[in-house]
Amino acid sequence: TQLLEQSPQFLSIQEGENLTVYCNSSSVFSSLQWYRQEPGEGPVLLVTVVTGGEVKKLKRLTFQFGDARKDSSLHITAAQTGDTGLYLCAGLYGNKLVFGAGTILRVKS
Amino acid sequence: SAVISQKPSRDICQRGTSLTIQCQVDSQVTMMFWYRQQPGQSLTLIATANQGSEATYESGFVIDKFPISRPNLTFSTLTVSNMSPEDSSIYLCSVSPLSDTAYGYTFGSGTRLTVV
Repeated sequence: TQLLEQSPQFLSIQEGENLTVYCNSSSVFSSLQWYRQEPGEGPVLLVTVVTGGEVKKLKRLTFQFGDARKDSSLHITAAQTGDTGLYLCAGLYGNKLVFGAGTILRVKS
Repeated sequence: SAVISQKPSRDICQRGTSLTIQCQVDSQVTMMFWYRQQPGQSLTLIATANQGSEATYESGFVIDKFPISRPNLTFSTLTVSNMSPEDSSIYLCSVSPLSDTAYGYTFGSGTRLTVV
């Protein structure tokens, strides 16, 4: 059973469009992290959210952590081709990082 | 954050053989982890490498198949033993931050293993 449900699994959009990726769980996490991974590389941290209801912005990326600390979303505004990659949410479960299924994002020019 | 050097970056191996993957960190870290990832898919935790004691394995992974060493706070190895084509995957090591686990984990670049 997947602790973290991530959707959608695949997203193909045009440059300039907006998109949202969701990460949901029935479990409460002490923190939730978002990573981006490019082919041939390991995942790289984008953001960590810790407080329920927290909103963090990183340029065109907006991250939200649900009030109950069970869900999170990543919203990208005006997507660019450079945003293409695999996006992963991950929850800290004890001292282990548990990953969602991932979202493959493809931004076409 | 820590810098991880993982070797080899890729390998093609014959079935029935074993491959040892090395993970070297540029600073002392408490927790080291080994993950497996199918290309384009998510990461599955294999085990936590503990310094000075046996690794802790996740459900579905056993020590005989994936022996792990952790001789000190900066180094770990994962061996994939008696390989079969089903073991073809990307293997990644990861470390947690020393001070606060709320911060991001750092990952190596991965080892792409193909078993023929």
